[in-house]
Amino acid sequence: GNSVTQMEGPVTLSEEAFLTINCTYTATGYPSLFWYVQYPGEGLQLLLKATKADDKGSNKGFEATYRKETTSFHLEKGSVQVSDSAVYFCALSTGGGNKLTFGTGTQLKVEL
Amino acid sequence: DAGVTQSPTHLIKTRGQHVTLRCSPISGHKSVSWYQQVLGQGPQFIFQYYEKEERGRGNFPDRFSARQFPNYSSELNVNALLLGDSALYLCASSSDRVGETQYFGPGTRLLVL
Repeated sequence: GNSVTQMEGPVTLSEEAFLTINCTYTATGYPSLFWYVQYPGEGLQLLLKATKADDKGSNKGFEATYRKETTSFHLEKGSVQVSDSAVYFCALSTGGGNKLTFGTGTQLKVEL
Repeated sequence: DAGVTQSPTHLIKTRGQHVTLRCSPISGHKSVSWYQQVLGQGPQFIFQYYEKEERGRGNFPDRFSARQFPNYSSELNVNALLLGDSALYLCASSSDRVGETQYFGPGTRLLVL
């Protein structure tokens, strides 16, 4: 079956630090990969996605590259801000369906 | 355009009761999916509906059921509530193309006492 593994949090960084949140996956077929973000008390917002190997998704300074050879989709940002504090979820979908399989989430705390 | 809307926002029930949660998708989206997010965990897939038909079901007991209406809105029903059903219930809509993005609503927070 499909599964997503994320690094455990919380991750605490100072403002302007470099961010990496690791995500690896196991899937049948060729999944589409996603990063969603959840701010306190809110639902999920799509941050970025990639639908095939070597694609790079990017949005709001965040990037992630679909690496088929390492089955990974690590999230990076060069300079985090306090407003980036949230929980980040890596997810995948396969087979053209809409079932998303999520990781357990990584909480990011950015301090001044 | 309005995003995905869900009602109610919060709900408190007691064990054994029944609950109905509602979702309206983004205009033009024909697919609705439901997820359960227990505190501190990632969302778990419950159902997907497209054109009023069930397209997928996650590993949830028969106490959970859903339906989709001609206007593509959807209801999630949970019978015989258990304490463990306390969670944030998220609805997501998409236009159901391959690899299409799902857009999530703000969720309904259910507390079972």
